[in-house]
Amino acid sequence: SQQGEEDPQALSIQEGENATMNCSYKTSINNLQWYRQNSGRGLVHLILIRSNEREKHSGRLRVTLDTSKKSSSLLITASRAADTASYFCATGNNAGNMLTFGGGTRLMVKP
Amino acid sequence: DSGVTQTPKHLITATGQRVTLRCSPRSGDLSVYWYQQSLDQGLQFLIQYYNGEERAKGNILERFSAQQFPDLHSELNLSSLELGDSALYFCASSVATSEFYEQYFGPGTRLTVT
Repeated sequence: SQQGEEDPQALSIQEGENATMNCSYKTSINNLQWYRQNSGRGLVHLILIRSNEREKHSGRLRVTLDTSKKSSSLLITASRAADTASYFCATGNNAGNMLTFGGGTRLMVKP
Repeated sequence: DSGVTQTPKHLITATGQRVTLRCSPRSGDLSVYWYQQSLDQGLQFLIQYYNGEERAKGNILERFSAQQFPDLHSELNLSSLELGDSALYFCASSVATSEFYEQYFGPGTRLTVT
């Protein structure tokens, strides 16, 4: 079963707009990570936010974490066509560092 | 390029067969993870090795097995293949086993069982 569930499942926006993806999870976590996957390719780590952090920035990415609501959001500002990909949230497990991934949000940025 | 290599890139085989997928982690990484990605199950963790020893097991079928060798490369063996085993298989590595280390993913092996 998946720990995280992304919302929406698919998102289509115009270049230059902001894209917001949400992730909800079920159990307590120590950190939450966001990954990006271009079609059929390997995942690329974007950002990690620890449970004691509420917000984190990396370039055009902004991640928030609300542990009381067991949710996180990923905001991509000023989107580009090259941002078209699937985005996954993942939570870590104390026992061995396995990651549990959500179903992903498919983002399409139209030029 | 993540530094994680996987071979082969594509594999087409018949039901009932056995295949071996290979992964070389990033230089210096001791932990190797295997994940399966399919349309119906999404991304699922299969198994993790750390410095040659099994550390965690996920939704790995009994028909599947893995090992990590002294040079830290890992192999995932899939036997008695079924149509439902068709999927992308990813290997990832991290420097240690703490969950606070990001994982670096390889490009994947696309397995098609016919």
